[in-house]
Amino acid sequence: QQQVKQSPQSLIVQKGGISIINCAYENTAFDYFPWYQQFPGKGPALLIAIRPDVSEKKEGRFTISFNKSAKQFSLHIMDSQPGDSATYFCAATADYKLSFGAGTTVTVRA
Amino acid sequence: DAGVIQSPRHEVTEMGQEVTLRCKPISGHNSLFWYRQTMMRGLELLIYFNNNVPIDDSGMPEDRFSAKMPNASFSTLKIQPSEPRDSAVYFCASSQDRAADTQYFGPGTRLTVL
Repeated sequence: QQQVKQSPQSLIVQKGGISIINCAYENTAFDYFPWYQQFPGKGPALLIAIRPDVSEKKEGRFTISFNKSAKQFSLHIMDSQPGDSATYFCAATADYKLSFGAGTTVTVRA
Repeated sequence: DAGVIQSPRHEVTEMGQEVTLRCKPISGHNSLFWYRQTMMRGLELLIYFNNNVPIDDSGMPEDRFSAKMPNASFSTLKIQPSEPRDSAVYFCASSQDRAADTQYFGPGTRLTVL
């Protein structure tokens, strides 16, 4: 069973638009919440991450929002670009173990 | 830095054959992970090594799967005998320490078992 639930499964956004991906978890032992980006034929690569003592983290056009009480976190991609077209995985860690969401395929139309 | 290196990148084999996947982690990293990615089950952790010692193999699907890490710069994942349901992309990842804060993934091996 998936310990991290991710939605939507896929989304299409126009260039310059905002992409939003949501994740939820139950295990309160999770202490680190990374997002990975995967392009076709490549391995996942760390994009941005947050710890539960912070409610928001921004790196360039990518922002994580974290709601500890609701056990939810989300990724916002601002000013989406065609090069952002990829599959995005949220994840949560406890010790060495990464639990991944099912992934969201983002397509940015030019 | 060359990153995590995996070989082969693609493998096509017949059911019943032995398959060996190889991984070279990033130099200086002491944690190594093998994952399997499928459409149905997503990314699953198969086995975790720390300092060349298997720590958690609870994700290995069955006895047909085995993994070794004879030294800090090399690991193998073996499937014998292979079955069509083993078809997937297998990733190796490494990290600098036990905590999973940043795992660096290799490009993967796409395995097809006919």
